[in-house]
Amino acid sequence: SQQGEEDPQALSIQEGENATMNCSYKTSINNLQWYRQNSGRGLVHLILIRSNEREKHSGRLRVTLDTSKKSSSLLITASRAADTASYFCATDSDRGSTLGRLYFGRGTQLTVWP
Amino acid sequence: AAGVIQSPRHLIKEKRETATLKCYPIPRHDTVYWYQQGPGQDPQFLISFYEKMQSDKGSIPDRFSAQQFSDYHSELNMSSLELGDSALYFCASSLRRPPDTQYFGPGTRLTVL
Repeated sequence: SQQGEEDPQALSIQEGENATMNCSYKTSINNLQWYRQNSGRGLVHLILIRSNEREKHSGRLRVTLDTSKKSSSLLITASRAADTASYFCATDSDRGSTLGRLYFGRGTQLTVWP
Repeated sequence: AAGVIQSPRHLIKEKRETATLKCYPIPRHDTVYWYQQGPGQDPQFLISFYEKMQSDKGSIPDRFSAQQFSDYHSELNMSSLELGDSALYFCASSLRRPPDTQYFGPGTRLTVL
């Protein structure tokens, strides 16, 4: 499997706090993407970071990528109850034969209490 | 902005029946991907198409087949359904080059009884 573990598997915080989720992967990549999924619903794209980028911001989201450690983190600042969802990281291989195929981590279930 | 459309949203079938899932990608996207997500699991890649040709194949059972049509919509055909096929099936679309964001549809929830 290209993907490793996401850490933590579950995270429970109060509104206003920051939430940090981590994921690791095993092989070289083109991009790493973070997705959000509300229970049993669709996958909503949050942010894409390319292998030559180290940090990216989008609103309250901050993503870092460390290709030497094959790891990424997603930080959600000033969390809201509406942020409650599962968060998945997904990587795509830089190998031509599987170009574009996404490998997902197991996800972090984030619960934000009002 | 237009999104990926999937139909039907929900499907209930009996064992050994067949099912057809449809996906309409975002206009001008040339690549379609299919993923399966079992209960409490992460999405697993099944198959992808680029410019109407199969471009990559993952852990897709032989009972499943898929194709992409001239209008770029794709269909996933599933035969001899088993209880274990119950899952969320997602379609995603993107531009192939450079490898870019995959936008996912809302999914089809298949329940096999």
